[in-house]
Amino acid sequence: GQQLNQSPQSMFIQEGEDVSMNCTSSSIFNTWLWYKQDPGEGPVLLIALYKAGELTSNGRLTAQFGITRKDSFLNISASIPSDVGIYFCAGLVYNFNKFYFGSGTKLNVKP
Amino acid sequence: DGGITQSPKYLFRKEGQNVTLSCEQNLNHDAMYWYRQDPGQGLRLIYYSQIVNDFQKGDIAEGYSVSREKKESFPLTVTSAQKNPTAFYLCASRRDGISGNTIYFGEGSWLTVV
Repeated sequence: GQQLNQSPQSMFIQEGEDVSMNCTSSSIFNTWLWYKQDPGEGPVLLIALYKAGELTSNGRLTAQFGITRKDSFLNISASIPSDVGIYFCAGLVYNFNKFYFGSGTKLNVKP
Repeated sequence: DGGITQSPKYLFRKEGQNVTLSCEQNLNHDAMYWYRQDPGQGLRLIYYSQIVNDFQKGDIAEGYSVSREKKESFPLTVTSAQKNPTAFYLCASRRDGISGNTIYFGEGSWLTVV
């Protein structure tokens, strides 16, 4: 099935730095979702985006639904050690009721 | 406490054996999904169900079977026909809202072939 292109694949940053990651697709999506997954656990929803151009924040996290509806960005400001994990995006095409997922960005934060 | 409960967390399968992973949700969601996650890869859809007594094959359905007899329950059976079943399995359900749809996940189940 179709997968989303997510980058970067991994990041090593210093505590306090800002982080940015994105997902792109050749298809148009009606919904973009961002999740965080800790090792051996299920993904936890961070932010949901439903409208092109929408910019939504959740604490230090900010995500945007791209104007073209083919991409989305997630930013984390002032990173802390507990931000460590894998972040991945999901896109939904309404007509098909199927979600497509990025392969994840592994974030490492050095204290 | 509302959510999606998967069990068991860890399961070991012998060669030629069928095993069943349980998934229960109390969120009153109609649609439920099963995904497989392998290291370094995105989630791959095994089966999904839009409504009770109905389900559809996903991208990697071979060697798996499901049932949807109750709205709350969507068990996945990994049959002996699945030649490489060792993976992390995630159950999910979909909330249909006025603004849009969102998918929520259970905590996952690890299946290992011994």
